[in-house]
Amino acid sequence: EVQLVESGGDLVQPGGSLRLSCAASGFTLSPYWVTWVRQAPGRGLEWVASINQDGSRKKYVDSWKGRFTISRDSAKNSVDLHVNSLRTDDTGVYYCARGNYFLDFWGQGTLVTVSS
Amino acid sequence: EIVMTQSPATLSVSPGERATLSCRASQSVSSDLAWYQQKPGQAPRLLIYAAGARGNGIPARFTGGGFGTEFTLTISDLQSEDFVLYFCQQYNNWPNTFGQGTKLEIK
Repeated sequence: EVQLVESGGDLVQPGGSLRLSCAASGFTLSPYWVTWVRQAPGRGLEWVASINQDGSRKKYVDSWKGRFTISRDSAKNSVDLHVNSLRTDDTGVYYCARGNYFLDFWGQGTLVTVSS
Repeated sequence: EIVMTQSPATLSVSPGERATLSCRASQSVSSDLAWYQQKPGQAPRLLIYAAGARGNGIPARFTGGGFGTEFTLTISDLQSEDFVLYFCQQYNNWPNTFGQGTKLEIK
């Protein structure tokens, strides 16, 4: 089955860090840009970061620049999002998706809850 | 940053009828506009890209239109599974941005 599977979401205290992972199964991620999108409660969808096919280009939305880092591992067929200095308003479901302009295939998301 | 504004926030339509959802960009995005459908508890699904091209497996009941700053998503012959949430998204100018969504509900 072709799917993207996110993992790594958790309950974390403010100031904490997490590594979110997006693993592809049934297809190879290497020909595609991959993007992380966040959906916070009551705030709709927000583009977070995107990475190109070989990892040489990374694009971040300014709101997250400096706290979030996107990377990819072709051997593991996966893309990671390292999130640092977490704040309560970082709470939400984090999706990975295929693409850089429009997103044609999405994972089911992983929930990050930032709370003391 | 380009702001995408969807209207209305909630749209009430009867099954079998047609719904028209609107999306406005704060500046021109040419045809670089996508629409997504999101069912409760699920990830968004791509419906439309390039303002009017349907994604893989998307029924012909879903039609996208518009150019520049004004866009529409028209859903004909509404089925029960269509009464969910819809988002537009521009990819003409970084950062790519989404509208806040329109909830389609049964009248």
